[in-house]
Amino acid sequence: EPEVTQTPSHQVTQMGQEVILRCVPISNHLYFYWYRQILGQKVEFLVSFYNNEISEKSEIFDDQFSVERPDGSNFTLKIRSTKLEDSAMYFCASFSLAEGYNEQFFGPGTRLTVL
Amino acid sequence: SQQGEEDPQALSIQEGENATMNCSYKTSINNLQWYRQNSGRGLVHLILIRSNEREKHSGRLRVTLDTSKKSSSLLITASRAADTASYFCATDATRSSYKLIFGSGTRLLVRP
Repeated sequence: EPEVTQTPSHQVTQMGQEVILRCVPISNHLYFYWYRQILGQKVEFLVSFYNNEISEKSEIFDDQFSVERPDGSNFTLKIRSTKLEDSAMYFCASFSLAEGYNEQFFGPGTRLTVL
Repeated sequence: SQQGEEDPQALSIQEGENATMNCSYKTSINNLQWYRQNSGRGLVHLILIRSNEREKHSGRLRVTLDTSKKSSSLLITASRAADTASYFCATDATRSSYKLIFGSGTRLLVRP
């Protein structure tokens, strides 16, 4: 069964450092997403990406964040200068509209710890 | 803004009992999905119900959707200790990039 993969599973970084979280969505999916979940809280939408551009972003997704699909398979989330409050679980998801309103497939997540 | 909220926030039941979790939302939706999350782990998709459906079953799961009340319920029958997890509803708004808006979740504890 196809699945979304994410690397690394856990990233520890110092405040102010840049991090790049990587995702490989399901190959025939066209819509890609990043969500985050601060420990003990709900899952929050960050950004959606379609046709090689951001289609929607939340107020959380400020200038410190960027997304890219560099090679047609990977989908990355970059945080330029991490803050303590960026510590969270980050989930990538992908979705195909071709088969109707189907589920979003989520990756296992990357736990980001900012020290 | 659209918001999915579950109740109860926490539920503790005995193995074999049924568990019912409710979700409310605010705006028009394409569909509503339920996800499960074990502590600190990823999100597992359980079931999707479209806006024109009223009830759906999958194994021990039963989901209902009432678009007039903007609410949904998830029923887990004959619960097992392995059902212990957090359960989230997520809605996909009719005018959006199909992003999901998650509720705050129900923490279910099934006691053996």
